[in-house]
Amino acid sequence: GAGVSQSPSNKVTEKGKDVELRCDPISGHTALYWYRQSLGQGLEFLIYFQGNSAPDKSGLPSDRFSAERTGGSVSTLTIQRTQQEDSAVYLCASSLEGTSGVKETQYFGPGTRLLVL
Amino acid sequence: AQKITQTQPGMFVQEKEAVTLDCTYDTSDPSYGLFWYKQPSSGEMIFLIYQGSYDQQNATEGRYSLNFQKARKSANLVISASQLGDSAMYFCAMSANTGGFKTIFGAGTRLFVKA
Repeated sequence: GAGVSQSPSNKVTEKGKDVELRCDPISGHTALYWYRQSLGQGLEFLIYFQGNSAPDKSGLPSDRFSAERTGGSVSTLTIQRTQQEDSAVYLCASSLEGTSGVKETQYFGPGTRLLVL
Repeated sequence: AQKITQTQPGMFVQEKEAVTLDCTYDTSDPSYGLFWYKQPSSGEMIFLIYQGSYDQQNATEGRYSLNFQKARKSANLVISASQLGDSAMYFCAMSANTGGFKTIFGAGTRLFVKA
């Protein structure tokens, strides 16, 4: 079946503009995760969704970042008033349930490469 | 606090030889899971192998095995018979109940396989 898809694959924007990044998880996966990966760095957790609710938003770096998920499927990560330090690859992952916690393997999308000029 | 440490920024291995990528972790939660992911230059994260904290045996998946030493809190990845296509970044990760099912990742190790 289809894996996790993300769009756009690349996004170049000007400082101060808003951007929306989209994630389409694997069909039937109820848990969805957003991560940020800066150049040459590991993954930084941003937010976790269980269904449409977000029990863990602890990783969002500032109030310029928000995310929503509708219909238990597609999720959108929005960055308002983008800054140059927001430039990174934004990765989305999904897992089957999320509630089993430690046993949940996450499957990742290809990422969106964001460049803020 | 939970933490994953990968101390090898880069590793070289000769094709067809085995290589071990180090990972140590820290958590106070008795129940946790450990994962290894591969990230080739294309950028996609590929799941390789999983080890649960209560698993009695080390996990194996084809050429990948996880050397799990619970007392030392280490979860090293062993790749046998290295292939050129194994050249990539490798990330160790952990999730635990007290982390709210958040998965934390190490900084990664870049593996170079030489012909």
